[in-house]
Amino acid sequence: QSVLTQPPSASGTPGQRVTISCSGSSYNVVSNTVNWYQQLPGTAPKLLIYNDNQRPSGVPDRFSGSKSGTSASLAISGLQSEDEADYYCAAWDDSLNGAVFGGGTQLTVL
Amino acid sequence: QLQLQESGPGLVKPSETLSLTCTVSGGSISRPNYYWGWIRQPPGKGLEWIGSMYHSGSTYYSPSLKSRVTMSVDTSKSQFSLKLSSVTAADTAVYYCARTYSGFEDFGYWGQGTLVTVSS
Repeated sequence: QSVLTQPPSASGTPGQRVTISCSGSSYNVVSNTVNWYQQLPGTAPKLLIYNDNQRPSGVPDRFSGSKSGTSASLAISGLQSEDEADYYCAAWDDSLNGAVFGGGTQLTVL
Repeated sequence: QLQLQESGPGLVKPSETLSLTCTVSGGSISRPNYYWGWIRQPPGKGLEWIGSMYHSGSTYYSPSLKSRVTMSVDTSKSQFSLKLSSVTAADTAVYYCARTYSGFEDFGYWGQGTLVTVSS
């Protein structure tokens, strides 16, 4: 059971907007920044969003992050077939004194 | 372009120590304000943070692995290393080394990963 809770799966059609949630607690999401990673099949994870809503250079602005209370969200607009991947949220947990990842969400582009 | 490459045995026997090295190229391992880390992923499962370290040698370990983990850095070789003792089949995973992008745990640069299998 992950400290950060994500839905196991999500789906959308090309061009749609999809959101993936990440539910945590006051020890992690509320008190620390949230990062999001994209992992394409057979590859290393890629940092998509850091500091809750910042995009590293090279990440398209179709990807956006937000946070409210104990939950964070990743939104993908203008969904494309190449967005089909696993997505993970992550944050520092003050109670565990360590970094924690969500269980991951498998995004399918229909 | 910063590049990281993991190396080490792909097969480790139960109860032995897993040892991996990450070689950094295209950038200095001593560059300030960035942290170097290890993350693993069991086959078909999610990501797990193992630990992070600064080039000065300061280390931060996952509480669940702390008793078995040692991380070290060799700045002269641009390498940092992971040792995980008393391994079991549950430690079978793809092990990634990574560097942060901006903060302490936002890993923006990753190695390709190396599969370590624990089996007799």
